Amino acid sequence: TQLLEQSPQFLSIQEGENLTVYCNSSSVFSSLQWYRQEPGEGPVLLVTVVTGGEVKKLKRLTFQFGDARKDSSLHITAAQPGDTGLYLCAAMNYGGSQGNLIFGKGTKLSVKP
Amino acid sequence: DAGVTQSPTHLIKTRGQHVTLRCSPISGHKSVSWYQQVLGQGPQFIFQYYEKEERGRGNFPDRFSARQFPNYSSELNVNALLLGDSALYLCASSHRDRDNTDTQYFGPGTRLTVL
Repeated sequence: TQLLEQSPQFLSIQEGENLTVYCNSSSVFSSLQWYRQEPGEGPVLLVTVVTGGEVKKLKRLTFQFGDARKDSSLHITAAQPGDTGLYLCAAMNYGGSQGNLIFGKGTKLSVKP
Repeated sequence: DAGVTQSPTHLIKTRGQHVTLRCSPISGHKSVSWYQQVLGQGPQFIFQYYEKEERGRGNFPDRFSARQFPNYSSELNVNALLLGDSALYLCASSHRDRDNTDTQYFGPGTRLTVL
């Protein structure tokens, strides 16, 4: 069974701090995605990483895919209250199609002003 | 352009009843996937449909069924509801991007409460 383990599960920080969220697995994935979900809404795709060692930046967010394509991290610089939400990593399920994703349990981030 | 829409937004049922949830994909998207998200967890895959055919099924009992219509909209049906079926049910649609990847676009979900 493929599993994506995210850590930490909860994170509460002050505005301006930096943070890193991790997504780990014992399985190799062809690609991995990061989503952000706000209460009462569906997840919104932030980025897809495909190549081992790849680093992608989205404003203050930096995403990295591990060299072995088993893990990924999301780093937020100078967090703002608007970054508050549930951050989910997801990957295509083995033997499935790209519409069949497995998700981690998520990291619930709270950024206080 | 309208995103993925789902109806109803909220629903309260009692144990043993059945429920039908509806999803309209983004125009031009032919694939629809359904996910169940229990409070405090990540979404869990239930079904994927493409061109009206089932392409994948997650580890859910036969009480869960779905279908896709010619206009690519989709319904998720759950029979004999249990308390544990209380969750946010998410629908996602996708199309094949130029780099041959499928980007999933999620709707806002239907919050189902079973009493």
